[in-house]
Amino acid sequence: GESVGLHLPTLSVQEGDNSIINCAYSNSASDYFIWYKQESGKGPQFIIDIRSNMDKRQGQRVTVLLNKTVKHLSLQIAATQPGDSAVYFCAENILGGAQKLVFGQGTRLTINP
Amino acid sequence: DTEVTQTPKHLVMGMTNKKSLKCEQHMGHRAMYWYKQKAKKPPELMFVYSYEKLSINESVPSRFSPECPNSSLLNLHLHALQPEDSALYLCASSQEIYRGTNQPQHFGDGTRLSIL
Repeated sequence: GESVGLHLPTLSVQEGDNSIINCAYSNSASDYFIWYKQESGKGPQFIIDIRSNMDKRQGQRVTVLLNKTVKHLSLQIAATQPGDSAVYFCAENILGGAQKLVFGQGTRLTINP
Repeated sequence: DTEVTQTPKHLVMGMTNKKSLKCEQHMGHRAMYWYKQKAKKPPELMFVYSYEKLSINESVPSRFSPECPNSSLLNLHLHALQPEDSALYLCASSQEIYRGTNQPQHFGDGTRLSIL
């Protein structure tokens, strides 16, 4: 499953499928980007980050892609599990250094059994 | 379990009360942050502290008063709040904030504040 555009707040996928969550960021000067996962009643949890001199970074079951030309960021989650259900936020650092993060509106990911 | 600890988890207060939110981290981070998060919205930055000094104030009303007594602790003092201030208040920390040292911010689980 894939979310498209900044304003689609929800994404439902079948357990075991891959998910793609998209994010359009606002500032062409942003140099650092982070994906966070927020479960109900919890604070945002760091998933993966990427610097502007990279276009791809992989973690455990997650991959972040950065396209600076169109100011687009995506998070790919492989083989989704029920525990992946949460709201996912992209965040851009607009000042340099981990100083001022601006968060996207978020996408709620629901995993169907 | 988060390495940033916030207390209390829930707080209900009247508009004339004075209360404080507390945040503690023991990761040796030198930058700490306060965010406000309304329901179904992303976190919004309020304050940034670097080496115990206020670095950024995002035009937050003076009824919110931050304090950083040492490198591990961050407080948010509340006075004469309004009902619209009801929200989840999140604390975060990161290693430092100088250019070229991008590091992720790590969040606590927040204090859910309700103003009556």
